Amino acid sequence: KQEVTQIPAALSVPEGENLVLNCSFTDSAIYNLQWFRQDPGKGLTSLLLIQSSQREQTSGRLNASLDKSSGRSTLYIAASQPGDSATYLCASLHQAGTALIFGKGTTLSVSS
Amino acid sequence: GAGVSQTPSNKVTEKGKYVELRCDPISGHTALYWYRQSLGQGPEFLIYFQGTGAADDSGLPNDRFFAVRPEGSVSTLKIQRTERGDSAVYLCASSFTAWTEAFFGQGTRLTVV
Repeated sequence: KQEVTQIPAALSVPEGENLVLNCSFTDSAIYNLQWFRQDPGKGLTSLLLIQSSQREQTSGRLNASLDKSSGRSTLYIAASQPGDSATYLCASLHQAGTALIFGKGTTLSVSS
Repeated sequence: GAGVSQTPSNKVTEKGKYVELRCDPISGHTALYWYRQSLGQGPEFLIYFQGTGAADDSGLPNDRFFAVRPEGSVSTLKIQRTERGDSAVYLCASSFTAWTEAFFGQGTRLTVV
């Protein structure tokens, strides 16, 4: 059974810092991996989708990488801003599965 | 519609009552998913529809939970004889097909008192 782990559970940084959020998954036979942002009391906003054949995806200040062989993905946030404060969730779609399997998320706080 | 819409946004019900939660997916999306999220946890899969049929309902916790999607668009999650442990945020997501990017609604916060 696929398990997704996110470390750290919480992170506090000053504005302007570059940071990395980590996601690991136990079964490397994934179809894709998706990163989401969740604000308190809100739904999930899709940030980046990486197909299994890809190594990374970029959107603005966000860069997500995927290393299937090691079962890891990272989300890099450049020049963090207070507006980036939220919970970031990664989720993998297993090749034999039908739905995304989520980690518990990393709660990011960026102070001004 | 422009995004996935869920109604109601909040629902408070008494233990033992029946509730229905509605999801309007993005127009043209054939795949629809229901998830449940408890405080401090990631969303947990409940059921997946491809078109009108439930292709995978392995995440439904017990037979009090049921979902339908009769015309391949709107879906309703139905919970009978609600229990306090059912309190959570219920999230709906849709995607163009099963293997493409998933988009989530704002969720329905269910509180069973």
